[in-house]
This record gives sequence, C-alpha cells and structure tokens, in this order.
Amino acid sequence: GNSVTQMEGPVTLSEEAFLTINCTYTATGYPSLFWYVQYPGEGLQLLLKATKADDKGSNKGFEATYRKETTSFHLEKGSVQVSDSAVYFCALSDLGAGGTSYGKLTFGQGTILTVHP
Amino acid sequence: DVKVTQSSRYLVKRTGEKVFLECVQDMDHENMFWYRQDPGLGLRLIYFSYDVKMKEKGDIPEGYSVSREKKERFSLILESASTNQTSMYLCASSLLDRGDTQYFGPGTRLTVL
Repeated sequence: GNSVTQMEGPVTLSEEAFLTINCTYTATGYPSLFWYVQYPGEGLQLLLKATKADDKGSNKGFEATYRKETTSFHLEKGSVQVSDSAVYFCALSDLGAGGTSYGKLTFGQGTILTVHP
Repeated sequence: DVKVTQSSRYLVKRTGEKVFLECVQDMDHENMFWYRQDPGLGLRLIYFSYDVKMKEKGDIPEGYSVSREKKERFSLILESASTNQTSMYLCASSLLDRGDTQYFGPGTRLTVL
C-alpha cells in the first residue's frame, strides 16, 4: 500500500535559518504529492503540490521537487520567519485499485516547526 | 472564497452517547472526507464519499458511520462514543481528480469522558 514518511520532529530554528523537512513515499503508481500546513488552532491548508516527476511546487518561499528516482518530496525554505511556525504534513494521492482514488490522501505523521526570533 | 465549515470547534460528550459531527462545503465538490488527527500519527482517513448517498471506508472506520444526503453536507456519527475516540476530527472536500487540492475545515476537538 501507499505510505509517507517524514523526518522526525519537532524542528526548532532561529529566524532566517534554512529549513529542510524530508519526505519520502511509497506508492504503487505515479502519485501526486502535496505539502499541507496547519497553523495553530486551524485546519490544514495546501502549501504546494506537484503532480508529476521533476515538477517543482512553490509557494510563500517554500519549494519542493518531485524526485521519482529517490521517491522524495523534501520541503525547503531559504529563510524562515516566526510566522512559519506550524505543523507541516507531506501527503500523496495515487490511483487505487480499479484505476481511481477519489482524491484520497495518505499523510505523513507531521513535523512541528518552531521558529524563534 | 472556498469554505468548509464544521458544526462545532469543541465538543465534550460522555461515554456511550451518540455523537454527530457535521460538515458543510460551499464549493460543489464531489468528494468529502473525514479524518482524525492524533499526535505522532498524522491524519488517518475514517470515511469518504464521492457522491450523494455514496460512502467508502477509509483506514479506520470501526466505531464510526457517515451520512451524505446532500452534496454539500457530510456527517460523521459515533454510534456509542468511547474514550479512545477523543481526538481532533477534520473534514475536507475536493473535486474528483486525484491531483486536486483538498480543502479542510477548522476541525472539531472532541473529548469523550
């Protein structure tokens, strides 16, 4: 079956530091890959996505590249801000048995990021 | 602006009670989902629905049921609440395609005493 593995957290950084959150996946087909973010007290919202190999998703200074050869989708940001403190989830959507998945997502366990001034 | 709303932000119930969690989306999405979120476990899919009156089990359906009588509304039902169902419950919706974004509600923090 499908699975997503994220690096263990929590991650604590100082403002303007470089951020990497690792994400690797296992899927039977050719998944779409997502990063979602959950700010304190809120639901999840899409941060970025990539739907095929070598695509790069980007948003709000965050980037992630779909690497099929290493089955990875690592999240990076060059200079984090206090406002980036949140929980980050990597996820995939793949075709299930019978050729459809109805957009079901498989999530990683989440990585808590705290950025200090 | 897209919107998914959930009936309650916080809910406290007693063991054995029947609990209804309501979710409404205003985007005319075909798919709707219920997840529970627990620390260290990420989000786990309970049930989803791809059309009115259609439902499919997710990864952890035991102890839950769902209802979708209208396209915009998807209800999660705990027939007899238990303490191990204390959790954050998140509803989401999306268009049918596997590459489409899921839009999430703010969540309901359910405590079962």
